[in-house]
Amino acid sequence: SAVISQKPSRDICQRGTSLTIQCQVDSQVTMMFWYRQQPGQSLTLIATANQGSEATYESGFVIDKFPISRPNLTFSTLTVSNMSPEDSSIYLCSTYREETQYFGPGTRLLVL
Amino acid sequence: TQLLEQSPQFLSIQEGENLTVYCNSSSVFSSLQWYRQEPGEGPVLLVTVVTGGEVKKLKRLTFQFGDARKDSSLHITAAQPGDTGLYLCAGGGSGNTPLVFGKGTRLSVIA
Repeated sequence: SAVISQKPSRDICQRGTSLTIQCQVDSQVTMMFWYRQQPGQSLTLIATANQGSEATYESGFVIDKFPISRPNLTFSTLTVSNMSPEDSSIYLCSTYREETQYFGPGTRLLVL
Repeated sequence: TQLLEQSPQFLSIQEGENLTVYCNSSSVFSSLQWYRQEPGEGPVLLVTVVTGGEVKKLKRLTFQFGDARKDSSLHITAAQPGDTGLYLCAGGGSGNTPLVFGKGTRLSVIA
């Protein structure tokens, strides 16, 4: 299995501020994915991050709001910018290993 | 876009009862996955079904993939409080392509 860690595990933020979430994988991987899980909901893909290129965003998500970095093959960050209460969610990073998709424990964000 | 419809969305049952969760789509999937997510954790893979008509068992959990590979079901026998969680079906992923998830079934098993 792939071991994925995320920091912070949770945070409470004020509206208008930004939060950067870090994701670390225990080995090199090609693709990393960022998902959002709103309260009581399923997972929605935000973007796909490939090392060395710009992230690919899904419909409804834009780079200005959710900038992503992928500086190397084991690490990625997702920033939630200019936050509003609607951004309160769990944010999960994910990757593949041997045809199985694994998930980090998530970052639980509350925006006041 | 491939969509997955899951039902029921919520399920509250007594310990010892049986239940079935359904995952349906109008699209054909090369495989479907079932994940379980507990509070404060990311989803954890339970099983992957790849062959039409396939049945896989994991202790008290039985997973079935439809013959046409458009639907799947999860049956739990004699549910226990430890089965409580969010059950998610997912498909459309392969190698570098991320999974698409159904809306999930939130199961609560009451002792």
